[in-house]
Amino acid sequence: QTVVTQETSFSVSPGGKVTLTCGLNSGSVSPSHYPSWYQQTPGQSPRTLIYSTSIRSSGVPDRFSGSILGNKAALTITGAQADDESDYHCLLYMGSGIWVFGGGTKLTVL
Amino acid sequence: EVQLVESGGGLIQPGGSLRLSCAASGFTVSSNFMTWVRQAPGKGLEWVSVLFSGGTIYYADSVKGRFTISRDISKNTLFLQMNSLRVEDTAVYYCARGGAPATQYYLDYWGQGTLATVSS
Repeated sequence: QTVVTQETSFSVSPGGKVTLTCGLNSGSVSPSHYPSWYQQTPGQSPRTLIYSTSIRSSGVPDRFSGSILGNKAALTITGAQADDESDYHCLLYMGSGIWVFGGGTKLTVL
Repeated sequence: EVQLVESGGGLIQPGGSLRLSCAASGFTVSSNFMTWVRQAPGKGLEWVSVLFSGGTIYYADSVKGRFTISRDISKNTLFLQMNSLRVEDTAVYYCARGGAPATQYYLDYWGQGTLATVSS
């Protein structure tokens, strides 16, 4: 069974830099998994941040960036702001019409 | 403007059925792939099903054989027929549009979600 792994929680200071990761229990994440990232605040629908590893969705500030770091996909926030405090979900395409989400990372800005 | 509006959630007993709808505007549901994603209370997102523009369909193992995704182009609406419901199917169900090009395999617009509660 494919499991996509994310940190359960993370904290960052205002103005700081944080990197959230998205891995696979079996193998490495690569661009062919088309990693995408979604931000969600409590009670709200997800918002698309990054797709195809590193392409920012329309209107997303450039303090959000995506990459592959080692064997994982990564979402980096540079210059964190208070309203970045959210849950962050990664999504991987596994091929053959199947996607898998990670468990999500709760980011605290304090 | 792209909008997705889900409806059809509610309280249902285990073993029962629900049909969720996702009314789309600002685009045609057959022009993009469309997905259903769910989120159990306090949990992460779970991909449920996809309907590609050409008509190909896939399901997560957790719902295969019980859920059916479909669309009505005349109503510009996506559906999710959920049968043999289980307590663990309790979740907010979101419909989401596939981004373009489809070969980028991401979701660009999301609805507000509809809550389905399976309980006796």
